[in-house]
Amino acid sequence: KNQVEQSPQSLIILEGKNCTLQCNYTVSPFSNLRWYKQDTGRGPVSLTIMTFSENTKSNGRYTATLDADTKQSSLHITASQLSDSASYICVVSAKTGANNLFFGTGTRLTVIP
Amino acid sequence: EADIYQTPRYLVIGTGKKITLECSQTMGHDKMYWYQQDPGMELHLIHYSYGVNSTEKGDLSSESTVSRIRTEHFPLTLESARPSHTSQYLCASSKDGQNTEAFFGQGTRLTVV
Repeated sequence: KNQVEQSPQSLIILEGKNCTLQCNYTVSPFSNLRWYKQDTGRGPVSLTIMTFSENTKSNGRYTATLDADTKQSSLHITASQLSDSASYICVVSAKTGANNLFFGTGTRLTVIP
Repeated sequence: EADIYQTPRYLVIGTGKKITLECSQTMGHDKMYWYQQDPGMELHLIHYSYGVNSTEKGDLSSESTVSRIRTEHFPLTLESARPSHTSQYLCASSKDGQNTEAFFGQGTRLTVV
């Protein structure tokens, strides 16, 4: 069964600190993995995309990693800011299937001053 | 900023009313999706379309219906709203092919009283 699991479910950190969010998946055949940021009451916005051959990709203070062998990805946020408070959703695409997008439940990050 | 729009952003209606949630995109995307998301929960696919006159039900059973008469529009209709329909509804679109990004609208927050 194609599944995407994220941890932790929620996280509270102090402004300026770093944090790492985890995503494990069983989606097959794998096409790509995206991390989305969803602010409260808004639609998700893509942060990074990882394909099978990519191990790491950065977007400003966000760095995503992918281990296609263990089917794990992480999103590392450096020097967190209050505006980083949001839900971070891991979305894995399969190469085949009528509906090929599989969503994780998200990690709710709260950055406090 | 993605060119996909949802209206209304917020809607409070009485039980039994018929409502239509609008979704429009100006990117020429063939694929469009409707997701339902309860607060703090994951997104669930309720409808999707691969192009004009193509509509399919998603993983989550829904009493809503959709239509795709034009590429740009993918409205969702509830014939008789109930309190159990209270939720956030997110529309998304993407190009066909692998490694494409799903762009999300801002969402419609529906409350049925």
